[in-house]
Amino acid sequence: AQSVAQPEDQVNVAEGNPLTVKCTYSVSGNPYLFWYVQYPNRGLQFLLKYITGDNLVKGSYGFEAEFNKSQTSFHLKKPSALVSDSALYFCAVRDRASGTYKYIFGTGTRLKVLA
Amino acid sequence: NAGVTQTPKFQVLKTGQSMTLQCAQDMNHNSMYWYRQDPGMGLRLIYYSASEGTTDKGEVPNGYNVSRLNKREFSLRLESAAPSQTSVYFCASSETGQEGHTQYFGPGTRLTVL
Repeated sequence: AQSVAQPEDQVNVAEGNPLTVKCTYSVSGNPYLFWYVQYPNRGLQFLLKYITGDNLVKGSYGFEAEFNKSQTSFHLKKPSALVSDSALYFCAVRDRASGTYKYIFGTGTRLKVLA
Repeated sequence: NAGVTQTPKFQVLKTGQSMTLQCAQDMNHNSMYWYRQDPGMGLRLIYYSASEGTTDKGEVPNGYNVSRLNKREFSLRLESAAPSQTSVYFCASSETGQEGHTQYFGPGTRLTVL
């Protein structure tokens, strides 16, 4: 069965420091992988996705993520955190081999950037 | 371009009441989805519609029905609301022709069932 794990409920980082939000997945085939961000009382906004090719994917607002097939991970990173990055982050996966349109979301990681 | 819109934004129901959550998208997307978001559980798929005229169950379909009214609109109905259906509901859409099928989300409906 497909699954996504975000092992940290919350990540705290000081402004200006690098940040990492972790995601690991389990799918039977090759995945499409996504990161979304949710600000308070808002819907989810797309940040970036991995389809194929370069393992390092760059997205919106200076975020990037690295696809690691051997570790089945897709960690979200940013070189220098901003207070405005504080939000809830979701990793999601879709198995491209399944032929379905079902996406599996992780439980979310709350990022707090401290001034 | 409004993207994905949802109505209402907030709703309070009594146990046993019914209601329909409305969702519309103006991006000409083929696929639409309904999710619920509960604390500590992330987003769980209730139903989805891969294209106009088709609907399929997701992870948590019990207690819900859906209608894909046309390409733009996808409604979610609670026939007899229960307190366990207290949640935030999100509608999303995606274009099936696009590699990877990025989803675009509405602002959500916060539903409380007493």
